Amino acid sequence: GIQVEQSPPDLILQEGANSTLRCNFSDSVNNLQWFHQNPWGQLINLFYIPSGTKQNGRLSATTVATERYSLLYISSSQTTDSGVYFCAVMYSGGGADGLTFGKGTHLIIQP
Amino acid sequence: DGGITQSPKYLFRKEGQNVTLSCEQNLNHDAMYWYRQDPGQGLRLIYYSQIVNDFQKGDIAEGYSVSREKKESFPLTVTSAQKNPTAFYLCASNPSSYNSPLHFGNGTRLTVT
Repeated sequence: GIQVEQSPPDLILQEGANSTLRCNFSDSVNNLQWFHQNPWGQLINLFYIPSGTKQNGRLSATTVATERYSLLYISSSQTTDSGVYFCAVMYSGGGADGLTFGKGTHLIIQP
Repeated sequence: DGGITQSPKYLFRKEGQNVTLSCEQNLNHDAMYWYRQDPGQGLRLIYYSQIVNDFQKGDIAEGYSVSREKKESFPLTVTSAQKNPTAFYLCASNPSSYNSPLHFGNGTRLTVT
């Protein structure tokens, strides 16, 4: 099946810093989503971005489908940005059988 | 408000007992999914259903069963055959399209002792 690799696995930053999270995937996709999982386990849908660039406040994301990667940018980090960020993809060559998740990037924003 | 409701939030069971986790959605989505998350790991797909009365095994279906008798409901039964049932279980749904985002419920944390 399709492989999803996220980097870095862990990231510790000071409040106000910027960060870039990366997601590489092994095959063509027709669905790519970025999620933020908060300390209570809730998965927050950040972006649905199988291709192109989107921005939402301090967050933006870019997917270059032809090169099989996506980037999530967080600017002016706040402590509430802490948590685990997941990239998830759906392989375009198979049935609509759900998303395959990466292992996540654990982000800690220190005050 | 439209959304996905999972209940209960926390569930405790003794080893050897079957347990059923509830997932209800009022988004009018055709497709529904069950995922499992272990500590420090990503999510893995257990079962999915694209339409009522039809469902397919995901990557880790052994020891689990599902039903899809109604569009709104997709309950997951964790059977005694599941060797390591303690985990965080998340339900999701999306419209009947490959190209649409999945929406997740808030999860059920199952502990089996």
